[in-house]
Amino acid sequence: EVQLVESGGGLVKPGGSLRLSCAVSGFTFSRYTMNWVRQAPGKGLEWVSSISDSSTYMYYADSVKGRFTISRDNARKSLYLQMNSLRAEDTAMYYCARDLDYGDYGENFDSWGQGTLVTVSS
Amino acid sequence: DIQMTQSPSSLSASVGDRVTITCRASQYINNYLCWYQQKPGKAPKLLIYAASILESGVPSRFSGSGSGTDFTLTISSLQPEDFATYYCQQSYTTWTFGQGTRVEIK
Repeated sequence: EVQLVESGGGLVKPGGSLRLSCAVSGFTFSRYTMNWVRQAPGKGLEWVSSISDSSTYMYYADSVKGRFTISRDNARKSLYLQMNSLRAEDTAMYYCARDLDYGDYGENFDSWGQGTLVTVSS
Repeated sequence: DIQMTQSPSSLSASVGDRVTITCRASQYINNYLCWYQQKPGKAPKLLIYAASILESGVPSRFSGSGSGTDFTLTISSLQPEDFATYYCQQSYTTWTFGQGTRVEIK
């Protein structure tokens, strides 16, 4: 069974830092691109960042570029998101999601964790 | 960046109704379009990818269509468990979600 379990969320002051983790099981982690997606309270989904299977390619939403860093450890089957210079508008549930690439059929996020809540407030 | 616009933002419907949600991309995205269902307090669930391919295990009352810039999600006969929020997502250039469509009970 595919499982993704996020951790590391919590309350942090504006300007602070936090590191999120996503531990996976049930599939060969090193073969998949992975993503972070967030959802502010009562709002819609926002893609945050993506990392390719061997960490060659990393992409970021404009809203977090320069402040967040995505990384992974394939040996530990874990995905990370280092979040610096946090702002109130970064308050959200953060989900990790597996990316399935179907080539000519595009990509989709077929498996998701249950999320970890990040609250940025003084 | 590609923008995704869903309509309506919310709708009220009854069990058994046929429901249609549309999603428009700000530029051409071929068929690189997915649909997700999200229930309160839960992670999103993939319903449809490549605009019209049903994910394994998803009931056949769900269907998707479209290509280019205009797409549709249809629920042929709304069931009680279908009351949720639905999101479209493009994967043509990085990834962008629509703002969501909340399907409520009439």
